Amino acid sequence: KAGVTQTPRYLIKTRGQQVTLSCSPISGHRSVSWYQQTPGQGLQFLFEYFSETQRNKGNFPGRFSGRQFSNSRSEMNVSTLELGDSALYLCASSLAGVAGGGETQYFGPGTRLLVL
Amino acid sequence: AQSVTQPDIHITVSEGASLELRCNYSYGATPYLFWYVQSPGQGLQLLLKYFSGDTLVQGIKGFEAEFKRSQSSFNLRKPSVHWSDAAEYFCAVAHQGGKLIFGQGTELSVKP
Repeated sequence: KAGVTQTPRYLIKTRGQQVTLSCSPISGHRSVSWYQQTPGQGLQFLFEYFSETQRNKGNFPGRFSGRQFSNSRSEMNVSTLELGDSALYLCASSLAGVAGGGETQYFGPGTRLLVL
Repeated sequence: AQSVTQPDIHITVSEGASLELRCNYSYGATPYLFWYVQSPGQGLQLLLKYFSGDTLVQGIKGFEAEFKRSQSSFNLRKPSVHWSDAAEYFCAVAHQGGKLIFGQGTELSVKP
């Protein structure tokens, strides 16, 4: 089975721009979660989507948004980029999500975003 | 509030030596616990997980972890470290809000 894939792997943007990141989960997985990883804050949960609905959300500003399609693929959008948004953005998929009984989340390789 | 603490930011061990990485959690109910490993520039790879049952769990690459409820710990061990084990290791607990809460990570260096 193919793993979680994320595109693009690397991105360079300037402040004020917006960016869209894509995640394709493992086949059959319906839950997709997004995490931001920075040296200072570590791994922080952004949001989780299940069956095209945002089921859970972390403590990030409204500039961070996402969506999920009927094939479970997910996109994450960050508008009005700030320097502090530079990070590794990780996507993880699971069958039904962590809340559904502590299922295992499988992570993609991440998209490294650099904001100049 | 649920939290995970990895007390050691950086550990250096000699190749062939044993390894123990510490993880302490704060969680009201029976936790679902995970250890992930991250090589530079890569995503997270699952090493092992504890959901219930036997408190000693075996994982990939020769790793094991022991769940100790009385100490709120889930330490990761390996009897003999290989140079390829150099990476960053993350302990995590599953939160009821549908997310994983991670520790700050422990960076492992391996001396030849």
